[in-house]
Amino acid sequence: DIQMTQSPSSLSASVGDRVTITCRASQGISNYLAWFQQKPGKAPKSLIYAASSLQSGVPSKFSGSGSGTDFTLTISSLQPEDFATYYCQQYNSYPPAFGQGTKVEIK
Amino acid sequence: QVQLVQSGSELKKPGASVKVSCKASGYTFTTYAMNWVRQAPGQGLEWMGWINTNTGNPTYAQGFTGRFVFSLDTSVSTAYLQISSLKAEDTAVYYCARGSGGYYSLPSAWGQGTLVTVSS
Repeated sequence: DIQMTQSPSSLSASVGDRVTITCRASQGISNYLAWFQQKPGKAPKSLIYAASSLQSGVPSKFSGSGSGTDFTLTISSLQPEDFATYYCQQYNSYPPAFGQGTKVEIK
Repeated sequence: QVQLVQSGSELKKPGASVKVSCKASGYTFTTYAMNWVRQAPGQGLEWMGWINTNTGNPTYAQGFTGRFVFSLDTSVSTAYLQISSLKAEDTAVYYCARGSGGYYSLPSAWGQGTLVTVSS
């Protein structure tokens, strides 16, 4: 099974900061990588698929990159509504797997 | 617009069963797979498996065989998750998540989640 490892597990940042979260797959997954945002008490929201394609309606401050085993999610200018937990997920091979999550907190 | 509406919170005793529903609207139900995802309190997301909404064929991830059953009622565009012989460690929020066009396991829409609490 493919393991997904996110780093850091948590981070503190200020409004306006540029934030980057990393996701590493234990073996190559091409670009079959998705990112999700989850706020406390809410369902996850789909942000990005195919490593870098934004889901409809997702603001362009979110961007994704990477291929193979190493991927990043970048938030260009952190806003109050962006404080949440972010998860990556590989869907290249069975079973699909989520990373453990990265909690973005207010500094 | 695409909507997945799940049934409400459940409080069950150990050994009981629970059935969670996920009613879909805004698209042709049998065109997209339905996934189930578990989130234990304070923990991350865990993929439980999926059901082919066209054939009704379920696939269960390791750790979700035996007591977990995915089913459908296509006449009302609804997917179900049934858990039997409930244990305290089944306490979690359960999400249904619609797959994407070409990729069954890529969630493109999520239900709001159903909290199942198992306690005596």
